[in-house]
Amino acid sequence: DAGVIQSPRHEVTEMGQEVTLRCKPISGHDYLFWYRQTMMRGLELLIYFNNNVPIDDSGMPEDRFSAKMPNASFSTLKIQPSEPRDSAVYFCASSLPYTYTEAFFGQGTRLTVV
Amino acid sequence: EDQVTQSPEALRLQEGESSSLNCSYTVSGLRGLFWYRQDPGKGPEFLFTLYSAGEEKEKERLKATLTKKESFLHITAPKPEDSATYLCAVQASSNTGKLIFGQGTTLQVKP
Repeated sequence: DAGVIQSPRHEVTEMGQEVTLRCKPISGHDYLFWYRQTMMRGLELLIYFNNNVPIDDSGMPEDRFSAKMPNASFSTLKIQPSEPRDSAVYFCASSLPYTYTEAFFGQGTRLTVV
Repeated sequence: EDQVTQSPEALRLQEGESSSLNCSYTVSGLRGLFWYRQDPGKGPEFLFTLYSAGEEKEKERLKATLTKKESFLHITAPKPEDSATYLCAVQASSNTGKLIFGQGTTLQVKP
């Protein structure tokens, strides 16, 4: 398996624009996670899905952020409108049924909002 | 509130100089404690899971241990390729899906 695949790897956008980040989890993994990493706050969980259903979105910072998982092999994280403080590295991760199982992370998307 | 604190923030070692990284945690019922390694520009890579106090796991030059309040990642005779940021995370029994990460320890091993 190629692992968790994220696209794009880098995104530069202007404040106010819509940004969509994409993730393809490892085949057969039931859980999918979206994390954000910054120097100030470290790695934070934004939202996670189990069998395509959002389970916990308490980490989503604002209504400007939304995430979907229309099927087992694809998820998106959308920011609309984007702001400079959204600049960070966004990671997607997936895992087998979560109990006692590690998560596999993608390479991340580095988002810069100018 | 569930919390993870790692120390030191940064550590510089000479090749072959053994040391330990610390991860202190406060969680409402520990389901698992995880160690990850992160190289610059990459996503975290899983190393170990520990489930109960007294448990130990080893992988090459790394050994992770767990007590009721903290975990240690011991690095024996490190090599330059061990240079990375090491992240500790906990999973609380109250929420099966969520991992809470510490800020990490950035390790640099000089030849």
